Amino acid sequence: DGGITQSPKYLFRKEGQNVTLSCEQNLNHDAMYWYRQDPGQGLRLIYYSQIVNDFQKGDIAEGYSVSREKKESFPLTVTSAQKNPTAFYLCASSPNLVAANGEQYFGPGTRLTVT
Amino acid sequence: GDSVTQMEGPVTLSEEAFLTINCTYTATGYPSLFWYVQYPGEGLQLLLKATKADDKGSNKGFEATYRKETTSFHLEKGSVQVSDSAVYFCALSDKGNTDKLIFGTGTRLQVFP
Repeated sequence: DGGITQSPKYLFRKEGQNVTLSCEQNLNHDAMYWYRQDPGQGLRLIYYSQIVNDFQKGDIAEGYSVSREKKESFPLTVTSAQKNPTAFYLCASSPNLVAANGEQYFGPGTRLTVT
Repeated sequence: GDSVTQMEGPVTLSEEAFLTINCTYTATGYPSLFWYVQYPGEGLQLLLKATKADDKGSNKGFEATYRKETTSFHLEKGSVQVSDSAVYFCALSDKGNTDKLIFGTGTRLQVFP
């Protein structure tokens, strides 16, 4: 089955530690995205990548980093510089530019809790 | 900048009731409009979309019409089921201006038997 996998589903970390969230897709999509979801705020774009070895900052990139070494993988690192990292993180992909297609395919999400 | 405004939830309905979730947008270009649904503990799924004015998107009994004159894309369903309980997100993609989706804050729907 084609789709997007995110692991783990729940993640707990101590304050001051970096943590990396995994996102893998086997849909052969060029574009991948990371969103953060907080109660009452909808989805906010952290980073996105339209092609391997290239990525752009979204609306709330501070305190986060990404890499895109393979088409299938787009890991997100939440660094200790992120002031409020506890949230639900969603990874998505799309075949090409969103503006041309409009549909994004989402993974099941990772709930990160930092104490 | 571009934005999407949705009615606040939760929306609480009895089974077989009529559903409307309001969505209005602001965009400088010519947006495509979407409704995504998030079931408990899952990621988002595309429910329906419309790419130009007066288009009607429909899926699983849900429908929404792209109204350029009122900048709206309200979601409707004639008879909801308990299984429709979820969070619904309105979103836009502005073809001339950006390659990103702009989401509303989401509206939680709770349907009781």
